[in-house]
Amino acid sequence: KQEVTQIPAALSVPEGENLVLNCSFTDSAIYNLQWFRQDPGKGLTSLLLIQSSQREQTSGRLNASLDKSSGRSTLYIAASQPGDSATYLCAAPTGTASKLTFGTGTRLQVTL
Amino acid sequence: GAVVSQHPSRVICKSGTSVKIECRSLDFQATTMFWYRQFPKQSLMLMATSNEGSKATYEQGVEKDKFLINHASLTLSTLTVTSAHPEDSSFYICSASRQGSNQPQHFGDGTRLSIL
Repeated sequence: KQEVTQIPAALSVPEGENLVLNCSFTDSAIYNLQWFRQDPGKGLTSLLLIQSSQREQTSGRLNASLDKSSGRSTLYIAASQPGDSATYLCAAPTGTASKLTFGTGTRLQVTL
Repeated sequence: GAVVSQHPSRVICKSGTSVKIECRSLDFQATTMFWYRQFPKQSLMLMATSNEGSKATYEQGVEKDKFLINHASLTLSTLTVTSAHPEDSSFYICSASRQGSNQPQHFGDGTRLSIL
């Protein structure tokens, strides 16, 4: 059974700082790993999907890395902005490739 | 693109009412759709997986007679919460994926269900 853990649970940083969100998973036999953003009361916005054959993916100020052997992924956010404030979720497949197990999320607050 | 539309976005109804939530893939064929439930400040929990034309597969602890899922076409899946009670109040989110392994899931905007 896949278990996904995210650290820290909450994070507050001043605008402009670079930050790293951590995700760990127990079953390393994954096809990919996804990072999502969720605003309060809203659905999920997909940020990055890393295939198992890749070590990292970049989109704008976001960079996600994947280390299958250690069961870890990180999401790096450069030059944080107040608009980045949201909950960030990572999700890894479990059992069959299509089912996702979500972490508990990191609530990020970027202050002015 | 891969747009998933979920409707309604918010439902408030009396205890005992049955509520239907729709999940549509607008610009792609979704052979598989997923239904999740999210309690406040918690993560998403998978309720069931539905493949077009087949019966849904429910996760352990999810009552299939309580949460009826229909996936009759490649663009539409519905979740019906039957005889809803206050404990069914939650945020329900659907996702859809194309045919094939290693396909990403695309998520709807969720439905906030409040049972009085």
